[in-house]
Formats: sequence, structure tokens, C-alpha cells
Amino acid sequence: DGGITQSPKYLFRKEGQNVTLSCEQNLNHDAMYWYRQDPGQGLRLIYYSQIVNDFQKGDIAEGYSVSREKKESFPLTVTSAQKNPTAFYLCASSAREGKEAFFGQGTRLTVV
Amino acid sequence: GQQVMQIPQYQHVQEGEDFTTYCNSSTTLSNIQWYKQRPGGHPVFLIQLVKSGEVKKQKRLTFQFGEAKKNSSLHITATQTTDVGTYFCAGVLYNQGGKLIFGQGTELSVKP
Repeated sequence: DGGITQSPKYLFRKEGQNVTLSCEQNLNHDAMYWYRQDPGQGLRLIYYSQIVNDFQKGDIAEGYSVSREKKESFPLTVTSAQKNPTAFYLCASSAREGKEAFFGQGTRLTVV
Repeated sequence: GQQVMQIPQYQHVQEGEDFTTYCNSSTTLSNIQWYKQRPGGHPVFLIQLVKSGEVKKQKRLTFQFGEAKKNSSLHITATQTTDVGTYFCAGVLYNQGGKLIFGQGTELSVKP
């Protein structure tokens, strides 16, 4: 099946620990995105990448880091510098910039 | 910061009533996309509008893109309980490398 896969679905971490969220797609898409969703605030863009080995900051990149070493993979690291990391994280991909985005199932991160 | 504003945040309707959500951008958009997120799910692409003044229909859903390519609307005629969910607009900004910015979403509830 073609699609975009995020893992795990639920993740718990202690405050002060870094955590990496996985995002893999087998759609051969060039562009990939990470969004954070909080109640009442919609989807806020963290990072996006249009091509392998290149990525740009979104509106709320502070406390997050990404890499795009392979076309299929765009992992997101939530660092200890992120002040309020508990949220629902969504990864998406599109064939190229400006085209429809396909979303993964999301990872719900809880930091205690 | 957020450049795509969407109103209202919540809308409660009786089944059979109409529903409209509005999206406004502070800058000209290359195109605008609409997504639906069911409770507990992830956003799913509905449609993309590209041309100034464009109107598209999908059964009971009507999508419009403003003449200046800065605003858009989604209108649902005669809502059904299956329409429940959060509707997001997402704008692709000119000259910002494919950045896809989402509005805050409108959560629609339908009372049978």
C-alpha cells in the first residue's frame, strides 16, 4: 500500500529528554511537512522540505530539529528546548510544492 | 506567524441547515486547498482552487476562491451528520517555496 506512516501513535517522555518522531512515505513525493496541532489553533507549520538534504523552518521551529537524508524519510526531533512539547504531531507529504498534501495518522506526544 | 485566518472557530447547526466557513489571507495565495478532519482522525484533502474567482462543487459542497486570491469559502448545503468534523483551509504562499499554511479550522457539529 502506498502511503505515509508515522510512528508511534502515542509517545510518552519525561521532561528534559529529546524524542524523535518518525515519518516515512512511499509515495515518491518530493515535499514533506511537519505540523503541530493544538486545540483551537489549527495546524502550525514546524518545518518543511522540498527536496532531499534541504529543509526550511516554519512558523514554530524553535525547539525542534529535522533531517532529510532520504526522500522517503523526514524525522522530527523534539528537543528539551521546546517549552511546551505535549501536542499532536502530523507529518504530511506532497508530490511537489503546492500540490495536495497527504497526512499520516499522527503521533500524540505527552511529556510528563 | 499565522497568515491565514479562518472563521468561525465553531459552528453548531441542525441537520438540514446550511454551513459556511471563511478563509482570509494577508497575502496573495498561489492556490488554496481545503481539508476535512474527522474527530480523532487526520486531515484529508478535499479540493484545490487555483484560478482567481474559481468556483468548484462537490455534491453539497461549494468552494470559492476570491478574485484577489486572498480569500476563500466553503459552503455546505443541507448538512448531514456525516459532515461533522473540522474543516481547514490551507494556502500556498507566493514566493515562499511551497510553504503550506493552514487556517485555524472550523469545527462543525450537526444535531440530528
